[in-house]
Amino acid sequence: TQLLEQSPQFLSIQEGENLTVYCNSSSVFSSLQWYRQEPGEGPVLLVTVVTGGEVKKLKRLTFQFGDARKDSSLHITAAQPGDTGLYLCAGDISGANNLFFGTGTRLTVIP
Amino acid sequence: GAVVSQHPSWVICKSGTSVKIECRSLDFQATTMFWYRQFPKQSLMLMATSNEGSKATYEQGVEKDKFLINHASLTLSTLTVTSAHPEDSSFYICSARVGRGRYEQYFGPGTRLTVT
Repeated sequence: TQLLEQSPQFLSIQEGENLTVYCNSSSVFSSLQWYRQEPGEGPVLLVTVVTGGEVKKLKRLTFQFGDARKDSSLHITAAQPGDTGLYLCAGDISGANNLFFGTGTRLTVIP
Repeated sequence: GAVVSQHPSWVICKSGTSVKIECRSLDFQATTMFWYRQFPKQSLMLMATSNEGSKATYEQGVEKDKFLINHASLTLSTLTVTSAHPEDSSFYICSARVGRGRYEQYFGPGTRLTVT
């Protein structure tokens, strides 16, 4: 059983559309990270959210941490082909040495 | 952000041989490094946590004698796949934990291992 469940698992959209990826858990996290991974490469850190209810923006990407710090969402506005990749959320639980990774969302943006 | 390198980026070896993968933190010291395995179209699977100067902590189901991890310095961890078999073929990724306050991990570019 995965600690962090992401939805949807796969997403294929047209260029210019908006989308939201969800990352849910029943556990409380001290912080939560979002990564993007392209084929054949390692994940690249996009953002870290720490405070419940926190919203961070990175150009067309908006990240939100749930009030209870159990869930997070990633919203992409006007998606572009360069946004294509595997998006991973990962949570840090107090006392644990490692991050817990989500199940992943594979996004394809069609030109 | 912090930079983590891996070497080699890809390797092909024959069944029964051993392969060593290096993971280096280039511009920071990493007291903790992690080794992951990733199957096609899937998320990351944590194999082990490596702390400098001590034995690695392996996740359940990961064979310690098959996947040897050494973290001899604050900037280098190695993963050796011993007596490799075709089922060990996979994408192996290392990462390093940065800082003791906010928790962030930075990943290497990964190593594609193919065992023939």
